[in-house]
Amino acid sequence: EDKVVQSPLSLVVHEGDTVTLNCSYEVTNFRSLLWYKQEKKAPTFLFMLTSSGIEKKSGRLSSILDKKELFSILNITATQTGDSAVYLCAVLNAGNNRKLIWGLGTSLAVNP
Amino acid sequence: SAVISQKPSRDICQRGTSLTIQCQVDSQVTMMFWYRQQPGQSLTLIATANQGSEATYESGFVIDKFPISRPNLTFSTLTVSNMSPEDSSIYLCSVGSDYWTFFGQGTRLTVV
Repeated sequence: EDKVVQSPLSLVVHEGDTVTLNCSYEVTNFRSLLWYKQEKKAPTFLFMLTSSGIEKKSGRLSSILDKKELFSILNITATQTGDSAVYLCAVLNAGNNRKLIWGLGTSLAVNP
Repeated sequence: SAVISQKPSRDICQRGTSLTIQCQVDSQVTMMFWYRQQPGQSLTLIATANQGSEATYESGFVIDKFPISRPNLTFSTLTVSNMSPEDSSIYLCSVGSDYWTFFGQGTRLTVV
């Protein structure tokens, strides 16, 4: 059965800290891995990863995929209170009607 | 990326009633999906909204409870029928391509 596992489930840090969020997966017909930030209702798209070893970067956030070891990490440097959110990882299964397989998310709290 | 407008943003409904949620996209898209996110849980796919044909429902979701319309490539509705408190959730419309998925703003439904 396809699955996506995120760790840790929750994390509390202080402003300025660097955090690393993990996402491992077992998904047949891998197409892409997606990271989202969810603050109130709707997940906001962060990154789409399809190739191993190529870092995607947006400001203080970066992410990389390892298709051999079947995992991805999301890094946030110099964290701010506005980074407090649930970070969701999902893997797109190219077969099976293009279904997204979701992790449970990592709840990040950044304290001032 | 597509701009997705979902409404209502939130609603409080009496048990036994029905609510229709609308999703409008600013461009034609092939793939439209409806998700549910119950409190403290990750996203669960309800169905794929197919243009011109019946929606494809995931296991545990049925058309009588969650009828879906998709009259064209830019619009879809999801109805939550005969609501009970267990239907209190965030409902999300999403659109996708071969590699990514974007979400509408979400509808927070509370059934009392």
